[in-house]
Parts: sequence; structure tokens; C-alpha cells
Amino acid sequence: GAGVSQSPSNKVTEKGKDVELRCDPISGHTALYWYRQSLGQGLEFLIYFQGNSAPDKSGLPSDRFSAERTGGSVSTLTIQRTQQEDSAVYLCASSYQDRSYEQYFGPGTRLTVT
Amino acid sequence: RKEVEQDPGPFNVPEGATVAFNCTYSNSASQSFFWYRQDCRKEPKLLMSVYSSGNEDGRFTAQLNRASQYISLLIRDSKLSDSATYLCVVNNKNTGFQKLVFGTGTRLLVSP
Repeated sequence: GAGVSQSPSNKVTEKGKDVELRCDPISGHTALYWYRQSLGQGLEFLIYFQGNSAPDKSGLPSDRFSAERTGGSVSTLTIQRTQQEDSAVYLCASSYQDRSYEQYFGPGTRLTVT
Repeated sequence: RKEVEQDPGPFNVPEGATVAFNCTYSNSASQSFFWYRQDCRKEPKLLMSVYSSGNEDGRFTAQLNRASQYISLLIRDSKLSDSATYLCVVNNKNTGFQKLVFGTGTRLLVSP
């Protein structure tokens, strides 16, 4: 079946602009996660959704970052007033609630802030 | 100190060699342990879970030492296709969901 999809695959934006990153999880997966991976770094947890609610937003690095999920499916990560340090690959993952250790990742969005 | 620490490598080995990676974790409350594999410019994928008694999946063997907070992955008879970054992952159950914490990965290069 279809895996996790993300769009766009690449995004180049100017410092100060807002960007929206989209994630389509695997159908039926209730849990959705956002991570980011900077060059040479490990995955950094950003936010977790269970259904449409976000019980854990502890990883969002600043109030410029926000995310929402609608219909228990698609999620959007928004970064306002982008900074150069926001440049990274943003990865989305989804899982069944009761087997969340096995997270299925999308291909990521490579964000470059110039 | 990072919560999950790995030697970044790279480990350069010839085809057919046996190679082992180690990982340490700092949170003694960690409950579950995994190895994920990440190919260059690709997303991570679950390779195998790590059980207390140790477990094997084909050429791959994983071990866990809770007392030392240490996890290992052994790859026998390395193939060219094993070249990738191997991520050590621990699961700290937090606020009702299982929060994965990823190491920065160990890079493996298998040469002909």
C-alpha cells in the first residue's frame, strides 16, 4: 500500500518568509510524528499527534513553529519568519497507536533558508 | 551528554567481514530498543527490535545489556548493500505515547 508521503520534497526560501510542509500518513495510522534532521545530526523530535490532538509539542524549537492535523490524517508543519538555522530535512512518521515503536517515515522535505 | 550515543564511524569493511556497532543510552527508564537503518538521503527504516535475551535476524544479531545501558548490532558476512547509517533508537514512554530517541548513527561502508 501507499507509504507516508511528504510535500514538497525540496523547498528553498528566503530568510523571513513563512513555509508550510505537508505530511500524508499511512491510511489508518492514528499517530503522527514530526522530526527534523540537520546535516550530520540525529533526528530531533518536534511534535506528536494522536488523532487531531498534539499531546506532546515539547520538541518545537520556538514559537515560530506550529503544526496541525485535520481529519486524523493530513498534517501541516508551519515555520514562520524562517531563519537560516531552520535549514534541515523535516521528516514525518506515522504508526499504529499500539505499535508506535515501529514508525514509518516519509521521504522528508529538504528545507534550505537562504 | 546525549541521551543516545554512537560512534559516528565510518566503519570501512570488505565484503564478507563481520562488523559490530555499539550504542549507549543514559536514561535507565528506557523500555524498548531498536536499530533503524538510514540510506544516504533516504528516510530511516526499522531494521530490528532489540530484546533483553538478544535476537537474531539472518545476518544481523542485536544484544542488550541493561545493567551497562549498552546495545550492540553485529552484522555477519557484510554485503555491499549493507552500506548505510545505522541508528540506535530507544523508547522512553512519555505522557502516554512511546517517544523514540534517536542516536546520530554509525556509518558503515562495505567495499568490494
